Amino acid sequence: DAKTTQPPSMDCAEGRAANLPCNHSTISGNEYVYWYRQIHSQGPQYIIHGLKNNETNEMASLIITEDRKSSTLILPHATLRDTAVYYCIVRPYTNAGKSTFGDGTTLTVKP
Amino acid sequence: DAMVIQNPRYQVTQFGKPVTLSCSQTLNHNVMYWYQQKSSQAPKLLFHYYDKDFNNEADTPDNFQSRRPNTSFCFLDIRSPGLGDAAMYLCATSREGAASGDGYTFGSGTRLTVV
Repeated sequence: DAKTTQPPSMDCAEGRAANLPCNHSTISGNEYVYWYRQIHSQGPQYIIHGLKNNETNEMASLIITEDRKSSTLILPHATLRDTAVYYCIVRPYTNAGKSTFGDGTTLTVKP
Repeated sequence: DAMVIQNPRYQVTQFGKPVTLSCSQTLNHNVMYWYQQKSSQAPKLLFHYYDKDFNNEADTPDNFQSRRPNTSFCFLDIRSPGLGDAAMYLCATSREGAASGDGYTFGSGTRLTVV
C-alpha cells in the first residue's frame, strides 16, 4: 500500500483558508486520494477524494499535483469546528484492497 | 439516514473476560472493516470482510476474531482482553469500487476499557 506523510500539526486563524499538505510519492495509477477528518472521540468523517483532477465540494477543495505524488486539502474559510485530526489516505480502486492511515495532521483553528 | 451504528459506545470488560463489539449498517455496503485506534494514534486495520470473505491483517493478534452473519452486521470478538487492548474500535463500511465516491463510512466507535 502506498504510504502518506503529513505534518503532525498546523494552526490556522478562524476565517482564513487552511491548506493541509500530504505526500504520497509511492501512489500507483489505480489509487485514489481520500481525505478524512476525526473530531475527538468520533469516527473519521469523509471529506473529499480524487484521482488526478482537482475536486471541490461543499466542505473543501482537493488539489492533486500533476505527478500525483502530493496533494493539498483546502478548507476555504476555517471555523473553530474544523479543529480536528485530518487524515490523507491512498486507496486502491477495488474494495478488496485496504488503505493505511498515516499519522494525520492535527489542525487547530484559533479565534 | 443510512449509517453505521456501533454498540455499545463505551464498554468496560475485565482482564481476560471475552467481549464482543457489534456493528450494523443500513448502507448495504458489501465490505466491512474493523479498526483499532489507541490514544493519539491513527486507526489501524485489524481485518475486513469482502462480502463473506474474511481478510485478516498479518499483524492482527489471534486474540481478535470477527464474524459477519449477514450483510448488515459484523462483530468483533476479543477472546481474552489484555490491558493493551484498551482502545477505540472503529467499524467502517464501503461499497465496491472507489469511483462510487462513497469511500469509507465509519461508525462512532466503541471505546473499550479493560480493568
